[in-house]
Amino acid sequence: GQNIDQPTEMTATEGAIVQINCTYQTSGFNGLFWYQQHAGEAPTFLSYNVLDGLEEKGRFSSFLSRSKGYSYLLLKELQMKDSASYLCAKKNQAGTALIFGKGTTLSVSS
Amino acid sequence: DTEVTQTPKHLVMGMTNKKSLKCEQHMGHRAMYWYKQKAKKPPELMFVYSYEKLSINESVPSRFSPECPNSSLLNLHLHALQPEDSALYLCASSRRGEQETQYFGPGTRLLVL
Repeated sequence: GQNIDQPTEMTATEGAIVQINCTYQTSGFNGLFWYQQHAGEAPTFLSYNVLDGLEEKGRFSSFLSRSKGYSYLLLKELQMKDSASYLCAKKNQAGTALIFGKGTTLSVSS
Repeated sequence: DTEVTQTPKHLVMGMTNKKSLKCEQHMGHRAMYWYKQKAKKPPELMFVYSYEKLSINESVPSRFSPECPNSSLLNLHLHALQPEDSALYLCASSRRGEQETQYFGPGTRLLVL
């Protein structure tokens, strides 16, 4: 199967660090993506992990453990504009398209 | 440039209407996708075109008909839709094929009355 699990909602304050976890079934793994989606807008690509370890891009980092079927997105120095839905996605078994998790809605308050 | 454009931004149609959604990219990407997204749900794949050929149809009803006239354009023809088809329709593209990162357009918000 392609079950992808992530928390439904998270809250944090400006300037803080938040970690959004994602677990997935490891069969047929072809890479894991994180997208950000603001309400009413299209998903925006954040990161792609295919090998184990941490990938850092400015305030955002993404981690992958293939053996554990686990990834997280780490957001540092949170800003109000980071309030959005964060979607974890993996390729389907054929590697032809993305299967999304239900998304984690992050609310950042001052 | 990672821009995928979609028109129209909003569309209201009756159940007997025929309309089309358009998607365009000029990044030289060879795979293009249609997704459907209902409110507070993740995007769900509908169709995949790879090198202008339909490679995946996720059991989508025939009232949705995709078309890929060339490598830069992707259309979704709509006919006899139902109110439950109201959703955000997202187009995406990726460089050489389905294995690569997908970039999304802004979507068309469709309301079926």
